[in-house]
Amino acid sequence: KAGVTQTPRYLIKTRGQQVTLSCSPISGHRSVSWYQQTPGQGLQFLFEYFSETQRNKGNFPGRFSGRQFSNSRSEMNVSTLELGDSALYLCASSSGLGSEKLFFGSGTQLSVL
Amino acid sequence: AQSVTQPDIHITVSEGASLELRCNYSYGATPYLFWYVQSPGQGLQLLLKYFSGDTLVQGIKGFEAEFKRSQSSFNLRKPSVHWSDAAEYFCAVGAGTGTASKLTFGTGTRLQVTL
Repeated sequence: KAGVTQTPRYLIKTRGQQVTLSCSPISGHRSVSWYQQTPGQGLQFLFEYFSETQRNKGNFPGRFSGRQFSNSRSEMNVSTLELGDSALYLCASSSGLGSEKLFFGSGTQLSVL
Repeated sequence: AQSVTQPDIHITVSEGASLELRCNYSYGATPYLFWYVQSPGQGLQLLLKYFSGDTLVQGIKGFEAEFKRSQSSFNLRKPSVHWSDAAEYFCAVGAGTGTASKLTFGTGTRLQVTL
């Protein structure tokens, strides 16, 4: 069974640009959540999508958005990039039906110059 | 609001020695508690979780953790560490079913294993 796949693995952008990250969950999983990991702030929850609906949201500005498609694949978008957005963005999937075991992808390392 | 404290940023142990990583949480109700491990350049892997019942939980790779409500702690232990256990370990708390994906993580403990 394939794991959680995140693309691209590495990304370099400049300030002011926007970026889209992709996550393919484990087959059959309907919940996808996103986390930002930085050396200073650690792991912080961004949002969770379940069956194409945002179910939970963290404390991030509106520049961070996401969506989920009918096949459960999810994308995360960050607009008007700032230097502080440089981070490892991790996607995690779960069945979402009361299952609390999250399966994480290897992440997308975003560098904003 | 829930929070997690991992007081040890970095721990070094010898291979074969025992290990205990500390975790203290703050949460108003019965917490859902987790330990995850992250190897360099990788995502996180769940080691074990506690929701209710027996306060001593067994996980993968020989790890166990004990929930102590009176101390608001959920420390991770392993009797004999292997060199491959070198990684970063994260304790996390969740609010429960329906919000299980919305975890609050500690800042992590980096484990170094000397041969």
